[in-house]
Amino acid sequence: DAGVIQSPRHEVTEMGQEVTLRCKPISGHNSLFWYRQTMMRGLELLIYFNNNVPIDDSGMPEDRFSAKMPNASFSTLKIQPSEPRDSAVYFCASSLGGLGSNQPQHFGDGTRLSIL
Amino acid sequence: QQQVKQSPQSLIVQKGGISIINCAYENTAFDYFPWYQQFPGKGPALLIAIRPDVSEKKEGRFTISFNKSAKQFSLHIMDSQPGDSATYFCAASKTGGSARQLTFGSGTQLTVLP
Repeated sequence: DAGVIQSPRHEVTEMGQEVTLRCKPISGHNSLFWYRQTMMRGLELLIYFNNNVPIDDSGMPEDRFSAKMPNASFSTLKIQPSEPRDSAVYFCASSLGGLGSNQPQHFGDGTRLSIL
Repeated sequence: QQQVKQSPQSLIVQKGGISIINCAYENTAFDYFPWYQQFPGKGPALLIAIRPDVSEKKEGRFTISFNKSAKQFSLHIMDSQPGDSATYFCAASKTGGSARQLTFGSGTQLTVLP
């Protein structure tokens, strides 16, 4: 049973470049979450989708960040232009959503992003 | 605004000992409290969760104790093992909306010495 799949696992790029992170949620899950993890701020929710629709993007730090979910099996998080302070581990998680659902969020193994 | 405060930041326990991690929350609307375990290079994984209608939940060596009036909950790991060495996150969420949004604590790095 495949879990949440993220790519790439590691990304090193120079400041100003566009970065695209990818996520394939668990088949059948209808909620998808993007998180950022840093030592200073811990795990922060950036945005989440339900049935491919962005529900809450209040955690997206700036307009440089954007996320899409064109279909139930794929999502992207894009940073353009990237800055050194964007360096972090980015996680994607998915779950079976629904009002009051207690279904757990399943996390991928993350993308470690380093902006030089 | 940090809505879930977790302590300690790090914890060192001898093999066979009890590990205790504490969390406190502010939002009384929270009604679901999971704990996640994260190993290096991996994403967090759900360990155990509790709802506020019970004061304790036990799964194997892991127990959540919940104090609704104090707005506190804790994770107890009995007979701690070196394989338990990981970072533990408490979290909280509330019913409503189309999916549960989790608010995470800052994490506790647990080291269990052999």
